[in-house]
Order: sequence, then C-alpha cells, then structure tokens
Amino acid sequence: EAGVVQSPRYKIIEKKQPVAFWCNPISGHNTLYWYRQNLGQGPELLIRYENEEAVDDSQLPKDRFSAERLKGVDSTLKIQPAELGDSAVYLCASSSLSRQREQYFGPGTRLTVT
Amino acid sequence: SQQGEEDPQALSIQEGENATMNCSYKTSINNLQWYRQNSGRGLVHLILIRSNEREKHSGRLRVTLDTSKKSSSLLITASRAADTASYFCATVTYGGATNKLIFGTGTLLAVQP
Repeated sequence: EAGVVQSPRYKIIEKKQPVAFWCNPISGHNTLYWYRQNLGQGPELLIRYENEEAVDDSQLPKDRFSAERLKGVDSTLKIQPAELGDSAVYLCASSSLSRQREQYFGPGTRLTVT
Repeated sequence: SQQGEEDPQALSIQEGENATMNCSYKTSINNLQWYRQNSGRGLVHLILIRSNEREKHSGRLRVTLDTSKKSSSLLITASRAADTASYFCATVTYGGATNKLIFGTGTLLAVQP
C-alpha cells in the first residue's frame, strides 16, 4: 500500500513569493490533515478535511494561507505571500473513518523562506 | 498550541539499555498516542492507549497512562541504534464532531552503538 505522498520535498523561496504544497493521501482515507512543524517542536494542525469539506481550519492563518481538497482526494496548501516566519516543515497526514484514529504522515515539505 | 510536554527534552543512552520518556498533558483526553520521527521515515505512529487503559505493550514498547496525573510514559526496552529519533506524545480529545490530535514538544533520543 502506498503511503501519503507529498511534493516537493524541499522548497526555498524569497519572502513575499507564493508557494504551494501538494498532498496525495492513502487511497480510501477520507480525512486529510495539514500540519506545520517548527524546528524543535511537535506538529501543529493547520486544517483538517473530511472528504472535501474543511471541518477545522481554526489554526490556519487565513490572511495568507489557503487550502483546497477538490474531489475529496488530493489537497493543496498555498501560502501567498510567504514570510520569514513561515519557514518550517509542512506535513500532510490522512486517516480512515474511525473514532480512534491513527494518522499516517507523509515525509513533509521543508520550506525555507529567505 | 502544544498540549503535551515531554521530559526529558533529550536523552542519550547506550545500545541495549532501556529508555524512558514522559509526557504530561493539560486537558481530559479520549486517547493518547506516541509517534516517532526520524529523517529516514518521517513521523510514524507507534502505539495508542485509551483513557480507560493503564498500560499497553507492543513489542519492545511499553506505555503507561495515569489520567489522574495527566501523564504518560513510553519505555523502550533493549534499545538499538535504529531507535535514535524524536518521540512525540499526542493527545486526542473529543468535542462535538471534532477529533483533534495535539502533539507535545518531543524527546530527542540518541542510542549510541
């Protein structure tokens, strides 16, 4: 079974530039999560999708961050414009429908904003 | 915001020794999970313990949960160099239809061969 796929793995951009991350969850997993992990910290949830609906985006900085999950499968997370403080690893995870959920994480995208 | 605090922040042991990591959290939970993260395999789920359980085993892993103290511990027995990684506890609480996983700050474990 293929795991969660993310691309790109690394991205270096200048501040004020836009950037987008892509995630393909495990087949059949209807719940998809985007996390941000700062250096030396645990991941923090940005947004959670149930199928194509964003059911928890309370931690998403909506002035510059946006996300979409068209057709309830792949998802894209965008930052526009990027700031220096956005440098972090962006992780995508997915899980199946269950009350006691185990989340499967992708390898992440390491973003460096210069 | 982080829910859990892991202790110690960093731990260095010799291969074959046991490693114990502790996690404290702030609010009532439904379950607590431990994850491992290294550069090779990313973040991987290790074990889940429910709020009505006190101890759980999986291979060389032993997890305890004390809901009265809002704390959990992860014991890795007979450690190997391949166990070198960061270990995170993550709690799940339920509120309405939500199911949010909140991670702690992590313990960096180094196992010396």
